[in-house]
Amino acid sequence: DQQVKQNSPSLSVQEGRISILNCDYTNSMFDYFLWYKKYPAEGPTFLISISSIKDKNEDGRFTVFLNKSAKHLSLHIVPSQPGDSAVYFCAASPNTGNQFYFGTGTSLTVIP
Amino acid sequence: GAVVSQHPSWVICKSGTSVKIECRSLDFQATTMFWYRQFPKQSLMLMATSNEGSKATYEQGVEKDKFLINHASLTLSTLTVTSAHPEDSSFYICSARDSRAYNYGYTFGSGTRLTVV
Repeated sequence: DQQVKQNSPSLSVQEGRISILNCDYTNSMFDYFLWYKKYPAEGPTFLISISSIKDKNEDGRFTVFLNKSAKHLSLHIVPSQPGDSAVYFCAASPNTGNQFYFGTGTSLTVIP
Repeated sequence: GAVVSQHPSWVICKSGTSVKIECRSLDFQATTMFWYRQFPKQSLMLMATSNEGSKATYEQGVEKDKFLINHASLTLSTLTVTSAHPEDSSFYICSARDSRAYNYGYTFGSGTRLTVV
C-alpha cells in the first residue's frame, strides 16, 4: 500500500522555467514532509522540508507548498537549471514515529 | 554537516552466501538508523528501524531472520543479508538522524548496490 504517491514518473522543463513536482499522500497522520534529490547509484540528498503547521516553506530556488485538506504537496524549482536534473522523492513521516515513507519519485530533466 | 558513510558501495556475491553492509555516522551519534531498499524505478521502501542497544523494528513483510540488523554503537549499524538469493539484488540505503540539524536531520548514506549471482 503506497501511502505517498508521485503520479508523474517524469518531467521535462526548459532551463530557466519553473519545475513543479507533485506529491499526494493518504495517511492523515503524516505531519512532516521532505523532498529529496537523488542521482543514480547515490543516496538521496535532502532538499527542503515542511511541517504540517505551515503551508509554505522557501529555500532559495526551492519552495514547498503543503495543502493539508487535499493531502497534497508540491515542490517548485525556479528558475530550473540543468544541474537540477535528477530524481526527486517526497517523503512523509507520521507524528508517531521517526520513519519516513517515500513516494515513487519523479525524474526531472532540465533542458539547456 | 552530518555525514553518513555506507560501505561497501557495491558488492557481488554468490547465491547462498551472506553479505554485510555497514552504515556509520561520521560526525554525530545516531541512536536510530533506518535501512531502505530500492528496486529499479521504484520508491525507497523502509525495511527496518535500527535502534542502538536493542532489537531492530522491521516493517511488515521484511524477514528479520534474513535481514539481520545490528546497532552495537551510536555510530554504527550493520545490515547482513543472509543466504542471499538473486531476488535480494537491490540498492540498499541507510539513513541516520542528527538531532542537532535544523532540517529534522535525516542524512542518507550513498547506498550499496548488491548483486547476487
